Amino acid sequence: NAGVTQTPKFRVLKTGQSMTLLCAQDMNHEYMYWYRQDPGMGLRLIHYSVGEGTTAKGEVPDGYNVSRLKKQNFLLGLESAAPSQTSVYFCASSSRADTEAFFGQGTRLTVV
Amino acid sequence: GENVEQHPSTLSVQEGDSAVIKCTYSDSASNYFPWYKQELGKGPQLIIDIRSNVGEKKDQRIAVTLNKTAKHFSLHITETQPEDSAVYFCAARLYNFNKFYFGSGTKLNVKP
Repeated sequence: NAGVTQTPKFRVLKTGQSMTLLCAQDMNHEYMYWYRQDPGMGLRLIHYSVGEGTTAKGEVPDGYNVSRLKKQNFLLGLESAAPSQTSVYFCASSSRADTEAFFGQGTRLTVV
Repeated sequence: GENVEQHPSTLSVQEGDSAVIKCTYSDSASNYFPWYKQELGKGPQLIIDIRSNVGEKKDQRIAVTLNKTAKHFSLHITETQPEDSAVYFCAARLYNFNKFYFGSGTKLNVKP
């Protein structure tokens, strides 16, 4: 009964390094989302996908790229990490746009 | 886009008392309003939601009210318990848009 699984859970990067965060869901959901959570700012949408092979920009897409090659996976990439990208990242999925979103446990990323 | 404001940012109540968290939204086209609870170190989890064709919804000790005219909705928790201590987020979804806009969160502390 996995739901939404994010890997890794923690990561420390040096400025300029790149990395990919993986999100996997086993609920056959069409919609998948990447959010970042910063103190006092709630959850801000980075990118989202409404189905396999589709992606779209959210509120704060700069510095990030995404891919949805398989329906169950949604990858978030940082090409050249910056200290401003230090945050907790959450992936979520839902069957429709107006139904419950299921969240992963989060990835705490620190860029030094 | 949509703008969701949430108040208060922190709320401390005595066990057994009621807690109320309020949110306002800016776009009258928003039609779906979920509430999420986030416990320390975990991802947000849906606790209750309401659609724009309903004014109130209740689930045991939790209720949500929606005032479309004033564009605000509230979460009510009665008979609070220490396990209700968490961060609560409201969100709004614009009709026909595939994303949610979250409030900045309320940290609820229930004192035993």
